[in-house]
Amino acid sequence: KAGVTQTPRYLIKTRGQQVTLSCSPISGHRSVSWYQQTPGQGLQFLFEYFSETQRNKGNFPGRFSGRQFSNSRSEMNVSTLELGDSALYLCASSFDRGHEQYFGPGTRLTVT
Amino acid sequence: GQQVMQIPQYQHVQEGEDFTTYCNSSTTLSNIQWYKQRPGGHPVFLIQLVKSGEVKKQKRLTFQFGEAKKNSSLHITATQTTDVGTYFCAGKDNYGQNFVFGPGTRLSVLP
Repeated sequence: KAGVTQTPRYLIKTRGQQVTLSCSPISGHRSVSWYQQTPGQGLQFLFEYFSETQRNKGNFPGRFSGRQFSNSRSEMNVSTLELGDSALYLCASSFDRGHEQYFGPGTRLTVT
Repeated sequence: GQQVMQIPQYQHVQEGEDFTTYCNSSTTLSNIQWYKQRPGGHPVFLIQLVKSGEVKKQKRLTFQFGEAKKNSSLHITATQTTDVGTYFCAGKDNYGQNFVFGPGTRLSVLP
């Protein structure tokens, strides 16, 4: 079956702009989680969506938001970008929380 | 809140040597998962352990879940250059609210 897809794969934005990243989970998976990965901080949990509801949220400012659609596809939005937001953003889908997660290739965001 | 630590942070080994990474949680886990991320890639699921004291093997990889379900280990026998990458453990606490990743152990294998 098709894996998790993320678009775009690379993105360059300027400080103050906003960005929207997209994730299409594996068919049948209703849980989508988002992670921020930076060299010094490892995998930081952003939020998890299940059946269009945000079920869990990490310790990130309100500039980071997300949503999930009825087909389980998810988007995350970062407003008022800061240089420190430069990172690899990974989404992972799973059948449910605690089940094995399948990661997408990630979106590499560079903020200049 | 729940914290998951891994040691060592980095490990350099000669090809053929064994390697072990340890994962420790501040709270009791309902399960633990291990992932491998190759350089430039994304994390890939390796295995899940659920039972106290559980041991699972995948070829040269041996995974163990502690009796108290607060720690776990991954042991690789006779490392190969294909083992290079970062190994992450991730666990869900008993309350099921958080699924937390450890910081990872980066393995380098010298040919």
